[in-house]
Amino acid sequence: EDQVTQSPEALRLQEGESSSLNCSYTVSGLRGLFWYRQDPGKGPEFLFTLYSAGEEKEKERLKATLTKKESFLHITAPKPEDSATYLCAVQAGGATNKLIFGTGTLLAVQP
Amino acid sequence: DGGITQSPKYLFRKEGQNVTLSCEQNLNHDAMYWYRQDPGQGLRLIYYSQIVNDFQKGDIAEGYSVSREKKESFPLTVTSAQKNPTAFYLCASSGTFGGYGYTFGSGTRLTVV
Repeated sequence: EDQVTQSPEALRLQEGESSSLNCSYTVSGLRGLFWYRQDPGKGPEFLFTLYSAGEEKEKERLKATLTKKESFLHITAPKPEDSATYLCAVQAGGATNKLIFGTGTLLAVQP
Repeated sequence: DGGITQSPKYLFRKEGQNVTLSCEQNLNHDAMYWYRQDPGQGLRLIYYSQIVNDFQKGDIAEGYSVSREKKESFPLTVTSAQKNPTAFYLCASSGTFGGYGYTFGSGTRLTVV
């Protein structure tokens, strides 16, 4: 069964304190792994797509990496505005474009 | 600007009522999806449609119904058969191959009163 597990469930950081969020997955034929940011009461906002092991993508203070079993979202010198829930999702092989989501990591960055 | 519009933002339903949540997109995307989000459970797929006049059940379709008569629109009806409808509902769309992931709407929060 295709599955996505994110850890930790919640993370509290001081401003400037770098850390990483983890997304481990089991999927039959990975077509893509996606990271989203979700603010309270809003829809998820697309951050990155990773397609193959070894791939890395960066956007401002965020960097996403991918291995054959997991992905990391590295946050360098976070600011309070980075506080949000970060969602990971995978797209399995097959005829549909369905995404399977993890339960997310709630990040709080304190000034 | 292209995007997905969900309405209403907040919706209250009485016991035994059916309610319909609207989702409209102007991204020219073929595929559309409905997800339900509950605290601690992540996003769960209710229904999806990859093309007009066709849709499939997701993981938690019981108590819900959809239609896809136009490419731009994918309304979700929460029927009285759905026993625990209070949740945050998200609509999304993607291109044919979904390689760029989904674009999400801003959500509808449904509360049973």
